[in-house]
Amino acid sequence: GEDVEQSLFLSVREGDSSVINCTYTDSSSTYLYWYKQEPGAGLQLLTYIFSNMDMKQDQRLTVLLNKKDKHLSLRIADTQTGDSAIYFCAESTSDYKLSFGAGTTVTVRA
Amino acid sequence: KAGVTQTPRYLIKTRGQQVTLSCSPISGHRSVSWYQQTPGQGLQFLFEYFSETQRNKGNFPGRFSGRQFSNSRSEMNVSTLELGDSALYLCASSSWATNSYEQYFGPGTRLTVT
Repeated sequence: GEDVEQSLFLSVREGDSSVINCTYTDSSSTYLYWYKQEPGAGLQLLTYIFSNMDMKQDQRLTVLLNKKDKHLSLRIADTQTGDSAIYFCAESTSDYKLSFGAGTTVTVRA
Repeated sequence: KAGVTQTPRYLIKTRGQQVTLSCSPISGHRSVSWYQQTPGQGLQFLFEYFSETQRNKGNFPGRFSGRQFSNSRSEMNVSTLELGDSALYLCASSSWATNSYEQYFGPGTRLTVT
């Protein structure tokens, strides 16, 4: 079955790195995604990783995947106030749907 | 390239009424998925369409239905609205092609049932 879990809150100082963690249970997951949602908006695709990879870097974003432990993390370097939002981890299998975590609210303080 | 568009953006309906929401995917994308987002249940999958065929359906009552047209635009319908149907309804567009499994979301339709 599918079950994606994330911690609910993260507070980080501006300029520091943020690390958001996620665990999933479906071993048949093919792709794992990170989305960002700002108040009143839809979901913005930040990045995604194929399940046979263990790392992906895209500018300030680094995704790490530990398939053995079914653990996914998103690191945001040099966190800015514009990074304050809710971040969702999601997994997809072969049935064309995404299963989402509850979301991590990231607050960036000056 | 234009993004995913959803109309209307906001909607207020009364219990018992029905509602139709529309989604236009990114040009060239043939897959459209629908999700419901509520504070209590989070993001839940409703259904997915590809080339006018429903390939997967989530665990929602039959009051929730959808369809896709030949131009890939999709609509979802909710009949006999209940207060619990108040939510943000999000549409996602994807090509599900080899080497590209990106799913892009629209801004959503905020439905309020009174």
